[in-house]
Amino acid sequence: GAGVSQSPSNKVTEKGKDVELRCDPISGHTALYWYRQSLGQGLEFLIYFQGNSAPDKSGLPSDRFSAERTGGSVSTLTIQRTQQEDSAVYLCASSPHGQGRNGYTFGSGTRLTVV
Amino acid sequence: SQQGEEDPQALSIQEGENATMNCSYKTSINNLQWYRQNSGRGLVHLILIRSNEREKHSGRLRVTLDTSKKSSSLLITASRAADTASYFCATDSSASKIIFGSGTRLSIRP
Repeated sequence: GAGVSQSPSNKVTEKGKDVELRCDPISGHTALYWYRQSLGQGLEFLIYFQGNSAPDKSGLPSDRFSAERTGGSVSTLTIQRTQQEDSAVYLCASSPHGQGRNGYTFGSGTRLTVV
Repeated sequence: SQQGEEDPQALSIQEGENATMNCSYKTSINNLQWYRQNSGRGLVHLILIRSNEREKHSGRLRVTLDTSKKSSSLLITASRAADTASYFCATDSSASKIIFGSGTRLSIRP
């Protein structure tokens, strides 16, 4: 596609439920990133995929968070047993290469609200 | 922990004035990038400056980088109402992700 697509754009879930967030990067971009942004805050790195390399999971806040990227394209971020502190905007970005050499293209994000 | 920190946290100026935002970081970098964010959603990449560059221009944007002071500045000249947004610096110091600062909220008064 022409841009990075994220779905859903908004998600309201009950505490304790699992949620799946989807990111469809720009075709041909080998690098894909997930960030989280709490209200009025900066972006918190979560996870990074680059080609067929093992993902950099160093930013995942707990073992309730996981992500996969199938076929080097679409990625799914899964949050199990959601908590209220998981409420945030989850942003996905992709770039043609790793190392951020050319800047990232971001999706519009998924606003997750845990009630 | 955040690598980049923007200063000021919030800035309000009159339309037509210049806006200057600063970013400081802690470790050596490969490059530094500036992004704009409207309405708390997706970020738009504005400009990238490499560690061996000192100044870069793009339209009304001017970015400087001082690696000895580990700081960068973003200047927006002749500001417009549409420039109202949050601005983030992001540093690339590894072979993988870039780290974002906490941002400067810029408001342009008509």
